[in-house]
Amino acid sequence: GQQLNQSPQSMFIQEGEDVSMNCTSSSIFNTWLWYKQDPGEGPVLLIALYKAGELTSNGRLTAQFGITRKDSFLNISASIPSDVGIYFCAGRSSNTGKLIFGQGTTLQVKP
Amino acid sequence: GAGVSQSPRYKVAKRGQDVALRCDPISGHVSLFWYQQALGQGPEFLTYFQNEAQLDKSGLPSDRFFAERPEGSVSTLKIQRTQQEDSAVYLCASSDRRGYEQYFGPGTRLTVT
Repeated sequence: GQQLNQSPQSMFIQEGEDVSMNCTSSSIFNTWLWYKQDPGEGPVLLIALYKAGELTSNGRLTAQFGITRKDSFLNISASIPSDVGIYFCAGRSSNTGKLIFGQGTTLQVKP
Repeated sequence: GAGVSQSPRYKVAKRGQDVALRCDPISGHVSLFWYQQALGQGPEFLTYFQNEAQLDKSGLPSDRFFAERPEGSVSTLKIQRTQQEDSAVYLCASSDRRGYEQYFGPGTRLTVT
């Protein structure tokens, strides 16, 4: 099925470092969502973006909706061990409710 | 408040058996979605309900997959004559009338032996 291109595939960083990951698509989306998934659990919504160019923060997380509507990025500042997990981007088009997901970025944080 | 719940959390089925997976959405959410997540992949869309109406079933992989939401609340995903390739985590999500933000349940891990 169709998926977004998410990078990097995995990251191994030191506690306290900042993290950046991004997502690109060949299709335009009207909503971008970022989720975090822990092992054995469902994805948890972190940030939702609704307008091209929009920059939204949620604590140490910041995400942006690209101007072309075909990309988005997520930044995590001052990473902590509980940030460990798999981060997914997801795009939603206007004429259907379904989300198209990226392949995920696996984040590991070394204390 | 209560989130999306799914049952069972784990299901082992022998090839050829039928299975039924249940989803209880967040109270008041009109939209309900089913996704399939293979190991190491992102979720992939299966089907979408608005209230009791199934508006999109384009992601169902075969006619062995069937979903229903008869009263616009609880939904059941049924897989008939399970095959090994059906092994995956099945996720349910719900959203309010706007439908922009989808909230996921913990998933049901189906293993077909």
